Amino acid sequence: QVQLQQSGPGLVKSSQTLSLTCDISGDSVSSNSAAWNWIRQSPSRGLEWLGRTYYRSRWYTDFAGSVSSRISINPDTSKNQVSLQVNSVTPEDTAVYYCARGYSYGQSGRHYFDSWGLGILVTVSS
Amino acid sequence: QSALTQPRSVSGSPGQSVTISCTGTSSDVGGYDYVSWYQHHPGKAPKFMIYDVSQRPSGVPDRFSGSKSGNTASLTISGLQAEDEADYYCCSYAGSYTEVFGTGTKVTVL
Repeated sequence: QVQLQQSGPGLVKSSQTLSLTCDISGDSVSSNSAAWNWIRQSPSRGLEWLGRTYYRSRWYTDFAGSVSSRISINPDTSKNQVSLQVNSVTPEDTAVYYCARGYSYGQSGRHYFDSWGLGILVTVSS
Repeated sequence: QSALTQPRSVSGSPGQSVTISCTGTSSDVGGYDYVSWYQHHPGKAPKFMIYDVSQRPSGVPDRFSGSKSGNTASLTISGLQAEDEADYYCCSYAGSYTEVFGTGTKVTVL
């Protein structure tokens, strides 16, 4: 059973960098079958997919266009973790941040978010 | 990429059916059969309920069903139960290796 746990500071000041990590158990960050996603939830925007990283002979990353210029997602194979950094944050980045595993289902082989962490609330102060 | 549009809330009595719509565009919902649905009880991890528009992962009751017509996907909960009271989100592949979620719907069991 895959378990994901997000950690990091709960309060970040505007213009600074938000940094979170996701501890993965029950699977490997280097799995050739999974992708590791960051998703956030705020009252104003609901759920918002931010991006993912995955390994298929080499590392790949995909990002949502709305945040692609400000975020990075990186694996740490030594700790079996995936991290998220969001630069130049504003109060609009206040949200609960989730780590979620993407896994292939059905004949389509598309990845869906089948395991989620509990999320971590990050507040950006102005 | 704009969020998919869902009704803010729907409600029904135990045993009834409710349907949640999820409206996008031809660039996401209408362009791909890659719609999924997630159930979220506040304070808990979201739960994966439907994939590929209408398929249920192992362990999801068959009371939950999905469908799609044009740019609108739907989730129907039949035989509504108290534990179904939660927030529900749709999600669609949006091309260029990106995903887009719906605005979310609160299901209330009366």
